[in-house]
Amino acid sequence: EAEVAQSPRYKITEKSQAVAFWCDPISGHATLYWYRQILGQGPELLVQFQDESVVDDSQLPKDRFSAERLKGVDSTLKIQPAELGDSAMYLCASSLGPATNLFFGPGTRLTVL
Amino acid sequence: GNSVTQMEGPVTLSEEAFLTINCTYTATGYPSLFWYVQYPGEGLQLLLKATKADDKGSNKGFEATYRKETTSFHLEKGSVQVSDSAVYFCALILIAGGTSYGKLTFGQGTILTVHP
Repeated sequence: EAEVAQSPRYKITEKSQAVAFWCDPISGHATLYWYRQILGQGPELLVQFQDESVVDDSQLPKDRFSAERLKGVDSTLKIQPAELGDSAMYLCASSLGPATNLFFGPGTRLTVL
Repeated sequence: GNSVTQMEGPVTLSEEAFLTINCTYTATGYPSLFWYVQYPGEGLQLLLKATKADDKGSNKGFEATYRKETTSFHLEKGSVQVSDSAVYFCALILIAGGTSYGKLTFGQGTILTVHP
């Protein structure tokens, strides 16, 4: 069964450093999402792509976060500089299109020291 | 805006007990409703869904009915098992109308622990 791949699974960094996360969606899925899940809370959408275009980044802290999906396939989420409050699970999900079933990857757990 | 509210946890049950996790929603358009489950150390998995009013989603013994009149989608299971211990998230996605089309909005999650 096809799965969403994410790497790394775990990342520990110091504040003010740069970090990057990678996501490879299920083949053929046009819509890709990055969610942030703070411990004890539900996931919150950071950015949504339709193919290579951003369709929703209203909750993305653009002063430090950036996301790209250059060829409309895999995607990278970057944080620079990392802050203590960025410690969370970063989840990638993909779907055939908006408003269809989302399939989630295993997530990247970020710890900022 | 769109929002999902779940009953606060954690919920602790004995094996074979009846489970209810309450979920209510607010939406500006017409949502589909979902329950996702997150087992320890794993990503989110879709448990069940319902796409229109009065639909019942079911999977692995879990059920939830889309109640438009009460804007609810409560999760139930007649007899829980230890292996059901996980975090359960209620979520909605707009399929027509309103803003945030295609955006999946989650509740805060409910931790379920089932003891033998």
